[in-house]
Amino acid sequence: AQSVTQLGSHVSVSEGALVLLRCNYSSSVPPYLFWYVQYPNQGLQLLLKYTTGATLVKGINGFEAEFKKSETSFHLTKPSAHMSDAAEYFCAVSDAMNTGFQKLVFGTGTRLLVSP
Amino acid sequence: DTAVSQTPKYLVTQMGNDKSIKCEQNLGHDTMYWYKQDSKKFLKIMFSYNNKELIINETVPNRFSPKSPDKAHLNLHINSLELGDSAVYFCASSQGPGANTEAFFGQGTRLTVV
Repeated sequence: AQSVTQLGSHVSVSEGALVLLRCNYSSSVPPYLFWYVQYPNQGLQLLLKYTTGATLVKGINGFEAEFKKSETSFHLTKPSAHMSDAAEYFCAVSDAMNTGFQKLVFGTGTRLLVSP
Repeated sequence: DTAVSQTPKYLVTQMGNDKSIKCEQNLGHDTMYWYKQDSKKFLKIMFSYNNKELIINETVPNRFSPKSPDKAHLNLHINSLELGDSAVYFCASSQGPGANTEAFFGQGTRLTVV
């Protein structure tokens, strides 16, 4: 079965600083990888996804992630944090091994805190 | 004009009761899901329907029964509620059931069992 590990349940940055949220996956087949963001009391919103092709993926709100097969990683970055980026971020892998259907397997989430 | 809407947003009920959560999507998607987020924010899939047919049924107690009357709706009925059922339940939809499709999530239903 596929799995995702997010290192760091909380990450604190200052406004304007680099954001780096770590995600490592485990998969015996080429993975489909996703980053979702959850703002307080809201549902999840897709930031970006990697399926095939270019390994550097650009998403919404200035976020990007790079798929590195050799490191089994899909870390999320943003050059300059804004206060509005404070939220919970979830990395997910799509486990379709048995059924062929999408079944998102989520990491435990990383709360991003942005200070002025 | 919400894409995936759930009702109610909050639900407080006593142990042993039966309750339902409704979900509707206006995106024209074929596939719908129920996910459960526990108190530690861990998200896990419960069910998935494609064109009104159940395609994924995770290890969920049979007190939970999903129903999809049409492609745009997926409801979740829970019998004999237990304290451990307290969680946030998210409905989601995607264009198709493929592994690389984007899922659109509703705002969640916070269920509290007392």
